[in-house]
Amino acid sequence: EADIYQTPRYLVIGTGKKITLECSQTMGHDKMYWYQQDPGMELHLIHYSYGVNSTEKGDLSSESTVSRIRTEHFPLTLESARPSHTSQYLCASSDGRTFNSPLHFGNGTRLTVT
Amino acid sequence: QKEVEQDPGPLSVPEGAIVSLNCTYSNSAFQYFMWYRQYSRKGPELLMYTYSSGNKEDGRFTAQVDKSSKYISLFIRDSQPSDSATYLCALSNTGNQFYFGTGTSLTVIP
Repeated sequence: EADIYQTPRYLVIGTGKKITLECSQTMGHDKMYWYQQDPGMELHLIHYSYGVNSTEKGDLSSESTVSRIRTEHFPLTLESARPSHTSQYLCASSDGRTFNSPLHFGNGTRLTVT
Repeated sequence: QKEVEQDPGPLSVPEGAIVSLNCTYSNSAFQYFMWYRQYSRKGPELLMYTYSSGNKEDGRFTAQVDKSSKYISLFIRDSQPSDSATYLCALSNTGNQFYFGTGTSLTVIP
């Protein structure tokens, strides 16, 4: 079973606040990803990382940043939350040592911006 | 055009039925094919993973890939109420980037 943890599970916050969504994995995976999931829509890639000090933007990366200082930790920060950021945020990881390793997901953070 | 097309359903079947879930794709470069199950308020859980045409079986689940038709399927035999979830297909060409369907919502009625 995949061991990837996201906190908080639920967050309600006002417009303009800075927030950080936490993601940690204990599997030693090199690759980590942040996705946004909305009902009836495919997952959209926000950011990804292939290792420590490596981060890249995905399709939907505007207004958010990530860092990868440690292998196991990949936090996502919204500098100024807006109602349009209301969504489910999923963190995932995969084993970079295996070429075709599938993604393993956390249980997500449900964010509501009022 | 979306990379991956998946019928969103919802799909409702009686317990014990055989369920067929499907995705089509347009990019022939996709080599790796995954099915995820997502329960309400949970993250997607890897169910099946394959990288070749043909069938792969795991218990009541069978994943089928037809690369010539760009069509993948997940079959669930003897469906149970605990199978009620949203099923996502995911495809990858390099193993680095993944393309997802929108998910099919399945309800198995006791």
